[in-house]
Amino acid sequence: QQQVKQSPQSLIVQKGGISIINCAYENTAFDYFPWYQQFPGKGPALLIAIRPDVSEKKEGRFTISFNKSAKQFSLHIMDSQPGDSATYFCAAWDSGTYKYIFGTGTRLKVLA
Amino acid sequence: DTGVSQDPRHKITKRGQNVTFRCDPISEHNRLYWYRQTLGQGPEFLTYFQNEAQLEKSRLLSDRFSAERPKGSFSTLEIQRTEQGDSAMYLCASSPKGAFNEKLFFGSGTQLSVL
Repeated sequence: QQQVKQSPQSLIVQKGGISIINCAYENTAFDYFPWYQQFPGKGPALLIAIRPDVSEKKEGRFTISFNKSAKQFSLHIMDSQPGDSATYFCAAWDSGTYKYIFGTGTRLKVLA
Repeated sequence: DTGVSQDPRHKITKRGQNVTFRCDPISEHNRLYWYRQTLGQGPEFLTYFQNEAQLEKSRLLSDRFSAERPKGSFSTLEIQRTEQGDSAMYLCASSPKGAFNEKLFFGSGTQLSVL
């Protein structure tokens, strides 16, 4: 019940294309859903986040879509750029235990 | 630089040795977390502090691991009698006071290699 399942494990996209990464969770106590971006040798950095009372949030080229009934959320990267090449983690925050549960990550490569 | 700072960035040690890592959180952040990340995996929760109090420890944290946060400022994570399975990136993160304290700010981590 504590898991966050993330797919795909890796993704290759052409420059200018759309990258889509999906996550699913079980625990209905989760109440904040961020996406983190991690470059090699660096810690994860918060990219964008959503609360379950909102179905979509957009910041620049990055959009989170959230489906509360299906307990799924996804990250869309529009007009993907080579600089977006990184590992992306979804996460879920349990406000009862003050902990994040992270997905297993998606390694994105954007081809120039 | 006012981000989360971790030291050292890399540590290579021999099996059986003790190692200690330090984390300096963002000033005035009252929560501090330690996570462990292995290759190809997401960060796994180890423990967290609210001010100087250690509020929770994961089952991943065996008796060989100990963490402290004296005076609610910096934190140290010590691993005694290191094993090869301890090789991982150890990440520290902090979060601010307030209602929306779920925003975590991560450091760049300490990469531990146990030979």
